[in-house]
Amino acid sequence: EAQVTQNPRYLITVTGKKLTVTCSQNMNHEYMSWYRQDPGLGLRQIYYSMNVEVTDKGDVPEGYKVSRKEKRNFPLILESPSPNQTSLYFCASSSSRGPTDTQYFGPGTRLTVL
Amino acid sequence: QQPVQSPQAVILREGEDAVINCSSSKALYSVHWYRQKHGEAPVFLMILLKGGEQKGHEKISASFNEKKQQSSLYLTASQLSYSGTYFCGTAEMTTDSWGKLQFGAGTQVVVTP
Repeated sequence: EAQVTQNPRYLITVTGKKLTVTCSQNMNHEYMSWYRQDPGLGLRQIYYSMNVEVTDKGDVPEGYKVSRKEKRNFPLILESPSPNQTSLYFCASSSSRGPTDTQYFGPGTRLTVL
Repeated sequence: QQPVQSPQAVILREGEDAVINCSSSKALYSVHWYRQKHGEAPVFLMILLKGGEQKGHEKISASFNEKKQQSSLYLTASQLSYSGTYFCGTAEMTTDSWGKLQFGAGTQVVVTP
């Protein structure tokens, strides 16, 4: 089944404890992206990747890191999480090299930073 | 800058029509529309590209006014399953941020029996 998977789905952590949220797609997609969703603000792009080893900042990259070493994986790293990073996170992928095609979203990761 | 969606919310009865608008202050290459049900991931509805190409479901219609950088999503003869939050996403015509996708704050749609 074609899908985007994220792990973990739920995470409660404490301020400053490094964490990684994994994202994997099995559709051989070029484009992958991370978003955070907060009430009243919609989806805000954190980072995106047009291809392996190519990543770029979205609108809210501060406090986050990403890497794209393989085509299928695009992990999101929070090296020192803070309470303002409590949010719902979505990973997405697309077959095109840019935002000109369908974005397939993962199921989401709900992160709480205490 | 995020695109601006209107209205913020709309309540419909089954069978009624509604229009959701999305506008940007920047020149756009593409406009995306997604629907999100509570507790679920956004699901693709439609993409409109500069030049008139459209990709999406046959039962969903939308328009893209390239001169005004505005898009509208038309919910016709609404069904209960249309309930959810609708988001537009926009990609700008720029080479230095090609790949960036910005979403509006969303429009909550409630369809009642």
